[in-house]
Amino acid sequence: QQQVKQSPQSLIVQKGGIPIINCAYENTAFDYFPWYQQFPGKGPALLIAIRPDVSEKKEGRFTISFNKSAKQFSLHIMDSQPGDSATYFCAASPSGTYKYIFGTGTRLKVLA
Amino acid sequence: DAGITQSPRHKVTETGTPVTLRCHQTENHRYMYWYRQDPGHGLRLIHYSYGVKDTDKGEVSDGYSVSRSKTEDFLLTLESATSSQTSVYFCATHSTSGRLDTGELFFGEGSRLTVL
Repeated sequence: QQQVKQSPQSLIVQKGGIPIINCAYENTAFDYFPWYQQFPGKGPALLIAIRPDVSEKKEGRFTISFNKSAKQFSLHIMDSQPGDSATYFCAASPSGTYKYIFGTGTRLKVLA
Repeated sequence: DAGITQSPRHKVTETGTPVTLRCHQTENHRYMYWYRQDPGHGLRLIHYSYGVKDTDKGEVSDGYSVSRSKTEDFLLTLESATSSQTSVYFCATHSTSGRLDTGELFFGEGSRLTVL
């Protein structure tokens, strides 16, 4: 079974810190690696996504780093703010399908 | 707002009763999904659809069936609900636009189901 393993389960940082969330996958044939942000009582929403032919992508304070040989990708949040407190999910879509598989989620709390 | 409506948003039912959750979209997206979200498990795919009457199983499909008779509607049915199906259910849609595909799923607000 294809899996995406996410860590840590929870994370607490001070305002201005740089939380890092990691994901690892077990199958080489994935097309997209998106990250989703979810606030309590809401559905997840796309934050940023990367394709496997790119090693890094930055959008505002959010950066994805992708290491194809290690089969790992990570999310960095620069200058984190209390408003970034949410649950973050990594995901991946197997090549040739849009059957997105999600990680187990990381609950981030940014202290003021 | 991607125009996804889930109904009902909250439901309490008893073990053994049938339950149907409805997802309605106004974006004419080809792909539709049902996920369940549980603490410690994240989002797990139940079923998805890649077109009208075209569906496929996800990783946790046992005990669930789906139907899609129109592009805009995707129904999830629990034929005989069990307590292990107590969860928050999310519908999602995906639009493929060839080279412009960003891998984005659009999620509904969720349906909280409690099976007593």
